[in-house]
Amino acid sequence: QQPVQSPQAVILREGEDAVINCSSSKALYSVHWYRQKHGEAPVFLMILLKGGEQKGHEKISASFNEKKQQSSLYLTASQLSYSGTYFCGTEIGNTPLVFGKGTRLSVIA
Amino acid sequence: EAGVVQSPRYKIIEKKQPVAFWCNPISGHNTLYWYRQNLGQGPELLIRYENEEAVDDSQLPKDRFSAERLKGVDSTLKIQPAELGDSAVYLCASSLIGAGAIYFGEGSWLTVV
Repeated sequence: QQPVQSPQAVILREGEDAVINCSSSKALYSVHWYRQKHGEAPVFLMILLKGGEQKGHEKISASFNEKKQQSSLYLTASQLSYSGTYFCGTEIGNTPLVFGKGTRLSVIA
Repeated sequence: EAGVVQSPRYKIIEKKQPVAFWCNPISGHNTLYWYRQNLGQGPELLIRYENEEAVDDSQLPKDRFSAERLKGVDSTLKIQPAELGDSAVYLCASSLIGAGAIYFGEGSWLTVV
């Protein structure tokens, strides 16, 4: 069951904030977040396990709402280097990770 | 420490020809994955190995795709014969069992003409 990401694309100016959402129709065991720059491999950002925890990675943090079966990725004071496509991946029980279609983020000067 | 290494980086072949991709995972990682990524889409799992055993290959088109992971380290993914729709990036990834984070290689870009 592929998670749904929103928005599909977003354009920010340097210093602005953004939120990327990832939702599932089924109860989640964990949510992973990755960033992929054009022509490069996806890079692991963080993983959240069920329990509603929040994690941070530099100025990028995420939350996991188990009841709503969704996760949100927060990018604060965006930098040019944040540009890329962000993917969430979700695990349901013992099933392997399934990735969403991605959110393309462009940060401009 | 070296990351996941894949080769070739790029491959252009004619339809109906065979092609093979090779992957060397991060040292010590016992779980290896092959994903396919189409343009503008997220990675889709083809097969997952834990050591030498293929534990999830439900999305692998077995009529033309095959994979092996001899000795539980390197892996190869083969397509024979290739079709136009196989054009994609084939990503290899690895992780420790139960560790969560998956580390991807740079991918093998396949174009079938």
